[in-house]
Amino acid sequence: EADIYQTPRYLVIGTGKKITLECSQTMGHDKMYWYQQDPGMELHLIHYSYGVNSTEKGDLSSESTVSRIRTEHFPLTLESARPSHTSQYLCASSGGEQYFGPGTRLTVT
Amino acid sequence: GQQLNQSPQSMFIQEGEDVSMNCTSSSIFNTWLWYKQEPGEGPVLLIALYKAGELTSNGRLTAQFGITRKDSFLNISASIPSDVGIYFCAGQLVRSQGNLIFGKGTKLSVKP
Repeated sequence: EADIYQTPRYLVIGTGKKITLECSQTMGHDKMYWYQQDPGMELHLIHYSYGVNSTEKGDLSSESTVSRIRTEHFPLTLESARPSHTSQYLCASSGGEQYFGPGTRLTVT
Repeated sequence: GQQLNQSPQSMFIQEGEDVSMNCTSSSIFNTWLWYKQEPGEGPVLLIALYKAGELTSNGRLTAQFGITRKDSFLNISASIPSDVGIYFCAGQLVRSQGNLIFGKGTKLSVKP
């Protein structure tokens, strides 16, 4: 069982607000990932990190930003939320195999 | 970019039936993973495969790493209603740094 946590699980927020989605893992994994997924659809990699102070953009362009100041923590920030950002955001970590958190369902009104 | 072709896209089966799904690619992989995702949750790792020809079981689930290293198969025997969900394959390319390429998923529905 993987120990990877995401908060909040659900977030409804108005256009223009700044939001931060939290992701933490207790496994000491160096590699962490953020995916964006519309319900029932494929996963799109938007950010990844191979360790502290390392962040890279993924295959899908995203207006979000990430930081990796501590190994266990990989937050994702949207400076100004828009309705087009409505989606599910999944965090994952890997020490070999990739394990996912439960996701944050974001709705921007 | 690299793509995985996962099929079928969806399946509607009767409880008790066996299920087969597969992923293929034109690229060579050194790892294949199979995940199950239920509504509102993150994908859960079911089976990991690391060697060409490897056959691995997890309860009623059996997965195989294709001998050509370009494909993988997942079988579910004697399906039950709780098997409902979306099944994703994922592969790690040879010489990649660990990022995965995901299939588009197979949505499984089971009629009691």
